[in-house]
Amino acid sequence: GQNIDQPTEMTATEGAIVQINCTYQTSGFNGLFWYQQHAGEAPTFLSYNVLDGLEEKGRFSSFLSRSKGYSYLLLKELQMKDSASYLCAVGNSGNTPLVFGKGTRLSVIA
Amino acid sequence: GEEVAQTPKHLVRGEGQKAKLYCAPIKGHSYVFWYQQVLKNEFKFLISFQNENVFDETGMPKERFSAKCLPNSPCSLEIQATKLEDSAVYFCASSLRQDNEQFFGPGTRLTVL
Repeated sequence: GQNIDQPTEMTATEGAIVQINCTYQTSGFNGLFWYQQHAGEAPTFLSYNVLDGLEEKGRFSSFLSRSKGYSYLLLKELQMKDSASYLCAVGNSGNTPLVFGKGTRLSVIA
Repeated sequence: GEEVAQTPKHLVRGEGQKAKLYCAPIKGHSYVFWYQQVLKNEFKFLISFQNENVFDETGMPKERFSAKCLPNSPCSLEIQATKLEDSAVYFCASSLRQDNEQFFGPGTRLTVL
């Protein structure tokens, strides 16, 4: 089976940097996704990591370590609009769908 | 289409009534997924389809829930005899492959009174 852990809530200050961690256990890892979900809206894709290392995309970066079963999403120069839930989702190499974590609710304060 | 479409946006049912939700995946996407999200909590996977065939239904409460994806029709999720705990937002997503990036629809908010 699969198990995904991420913090339930985080608070950070506008303009700062925040790192949202995700740890997972899976029997056949086949990629890790990060999604952003604003309240009342659908999740939107942020990043995909299948190899170890850092993927940078503007203010957002995502890191993966397959040997440690660990990923993080890094948000720089935080803006108020970054207040949302951030979902970590893991793909399995077997015929199973993505498994989503419970999400981390980020609040950006002035 | 270019986006996943879901109808209706909101659905209100009395306990015991039937509810039917619809999803049109992005054109060309072979996989369709249904998720249930209760009060902004975790996504609960319900069922997935590869074209019109059920791919994985391990998350489906089979007693009252059923789903279909028929050719040339929107996919549907039907709940017979709704219960209060079925109140949730039901998201549909589609992807090119089952392990690929999923694109989500806007969701259907079901309220059971």
